[in-house]
Amino acid sequence: EAQVTQNPRYLITVTGKKLTVTCSQNMNHEYMSWYRQDPGLGLRQIYYSMNVEVTDKGDVPEGYKVSRKEKRNFPLILESPSPNQTSLYFCASRTVYNSPLHFGNGTRLTVT
Amino acid sequence: AQSVTQLDSQVPVFEEAPVELRCNYSSSVSVYLFWYVQYPNQGLQLLLKYLSGSTLVKGINGFEAEFNKSQTSFHLRKPSVHISDTAEYFCAVSGYSGGGSNYKLTFGKGTLLTVNP
Repeated sequence: EAQVTQNPRYLITVTGKKLTVTCSQNMNHEYMSWYRQDPGLGLRQIYYSMNVEVTDKGDVPEGYKVSRKEKRNFPLILESPSPNQTSLYFCASRTVYNSPLHFGNGTRLTVT
Repeated sequence: AQSVTQLDSQVPVFEEAPVELRCNYSSSVSVYLFWYVQYPNQGLQLLLKYLSGSTLVKGINGFEAEFNKSQTSFHLRKPSVHISDTAEYFCAVSGYSGGGSNYKLTFGKGTLLTVNP
């Protein structure tokens, strides 16, 4: 089954403790992206990747890192999480520029 | 820069009534338009998309949307809603976004559709 898989689904952590949210897709998509969803703000892009070893900032990249060493994986790294990063995170992928994004099921992160 | 405005944050309707969720966009280049639906505790699913051609686009679950270039709108409609249509709906626009060739998908803030019995 074609899918985008994120782990974990839920994560509670404390300020400053590094964490990684994994994302993997099995559709051979070149483009991958991370979004965060906050009430009243919709979805905002954090980082994106056009292909392996090619990443760039989205609209809200502060406090996040990503890497794209393999085509299928696009982990999101929070080196020193803070409470304002408490949010619902989505990974997504697509093929060509006008194709729809395929979304993972989300990771709900709480930073205390 | 592109942007999306969903004019209603919440839309309550009764079952079997028609519904329209409004979306306006701005972009300086050709755009591609999408509607996504998010059911509680789930990710986003594509409802429908406009890439080119006919301005009336049909999607899943009986939804349709009409692209109106002159009014820069892409409103979503359904003639008769069901309880199961209760969800949050997001309009999104994809257009070239400068450096890095990022055809970024920009989302509206969402419209919560609540269908009451």
